[in-house]
Amino acid sequence: DQQVKQNSPSLSVQEGRISILNCDYTNSMFDYFLWYKKYPAEGPTFLISISSIKDKNEDGRFTVFLNKSAKHLSLHIVPSQPGDSAVYFCAASASRLTQGGSEKLVFGKGMKLTVNP
Amino acid sequence: DGGITQSPKYLFRKEGQNVTLSCEQNLNHDAMYWYRQDPGQGLRLIYYSQIVNDFQKGDIAEGYSVSREKKESFPLTVTSAQKNPTAFYLCASSIYGGTISYNEQFFGPGTRLTVL
Repeated sequence: DQQVKQNSPSLSVQEGRISILNCDYTNSMFDYFLWYKKYPAEGPTFLISISSIKDKNEDGRFTVFLNKSAKHLSLHIVPSQPGDSAVYFCAASASRLTQGGSEKLVFGKGMKLTVNP
Repeated sequence: DGGITQSPKYLFRKEGQNVTLSCEQNLNHDAMYWYRQDPGQGLRLIYYSQIVNDFQKGDIAEGYSVSREKKESFPLTVTSAQKNPTAFYLCASSIYGGTISYNEQFFGPGTRLTVL
């Protein structure tokens, strides 16, 4: 059973517009969420994260929103640039400081973002 | 520069042969991980190690083996028992322990293994 779901496999947006990437999770123990960006034949690079004590985290053009009651998070990229074209993975973990947590990351299947010039 | 090295970038092996993928990090990270990525799939955890001389199975450990004799190194052996070994393999590392309860994982460039 998939604990982290990225239901849309792809998204295409125009340069300068907003990109919104969505992610849903089912495990209520997850309390830390990350977004990674991946180019073909390369390793993922960390983009931004958010802990469950927050509902928003912003870093430059990237903002992650967390809705704990809906078990949903989203990544907003504003403005989108052609260099943002990549596969984006959502990941979640449960802190090792909480019972049953292990810090292992559980990844979604990824979403391919294409930003058109 | 600090980072994670995986070698080689591309690897070809004949069916039935064991093959070992290298992963080295100079980030002084305690924890290391091996993932596998298949087309249309997320990253699936094969094995992980949070300390030298200790490791745990991930979600898809069958047909794989690892060792962690040094903090810097976490080689993965794909054995002939792995039924579908052709995939993109990613190694990662993170700080573990102390007062920090959440740690980002940093990934290497990956090794594309093709079994003929």
